[in-house]
Amino acid sequence: EVQLLESGGDLVQPGGSLRLSCAASGFTFSSYGMGWVRQAPGKGLEWVSLISDSGGSTNSADSVKGRFTTSRDNAKNTLYLQMNSLRAEDTAVYYCAKRTGATSGAFDIWGQGTMVTVSS
Amino acid sequence: EIVLTQSPVTLSLSPGERATLSCRASQSVNSNLVWYQQKPGQAPRLLISDASNRATGIPARFSGSGSGTDFTLTISSLEPEDFAVYYCQQRYNWPLTFGGGTKVEIK
Repeated sequence: EVQLLESGGDLVQPGGSLRLSCAASGFTFSSYGMGWVRQAPGKGLEWVSLISDSGGSTNSADSVKGRFTTSRDNAKNTLYLQMNSLRAEDTAVYYCAKRTGATSGAFDIWGQGTMVTVSS
Repeated sequence: EIVLTQSPVTLSLSPGERATLSCRASQSVNSNLVWYQQKPGQAPRLLISDASNRATGIPARFSGSGSGTDFTLTISSLEPEDFAVYYCQQRYNWPLTFGGGTKVEIK
């Protein structure tokens, strides 16, 4: 079964850091690009970042650029999101998602999400 | 940034009725338009890619059409499990953007 399992969400103070992980199983992880999408409470979906299958190419939304870093370890079938200088507006459920291809911008498999709350 | 505007915001229909959801882009995205379904407390699910291609396992009652700036998601006959929020997303250029969503609710 194709599965994505996020972890690492927590309550963190403004200015703090957090690293999210996404463990993949049931497919050849190294053959697909991956991404992060977030959803603030009661709001719509917001794209956060993308990474290519090899990890050699990344792209991120302006709202997180310079603060969030997306990486992957293909040997461990794991995607990461390093989040620094967190702000209240980063509070959201963070989903990792599998791209439909190496560089596609569509997502066909999603994790269940992990909640990040930024508050003092 | 390409802005996607979905209408209506809420659609109140009965099971068995036809649902027509609209997504309009602020500039052409060719056919690079995706539709997702999201139920409360769940992750989004891919329905349609490239404007009209149903994803694996998606029932035939779901269909997508359009190109350029105007797109439509049609559910031919609503089943109880179809009441949910639907989002469109463009993958034509950066940043990837989503529409604000259309909630299909039971009338």
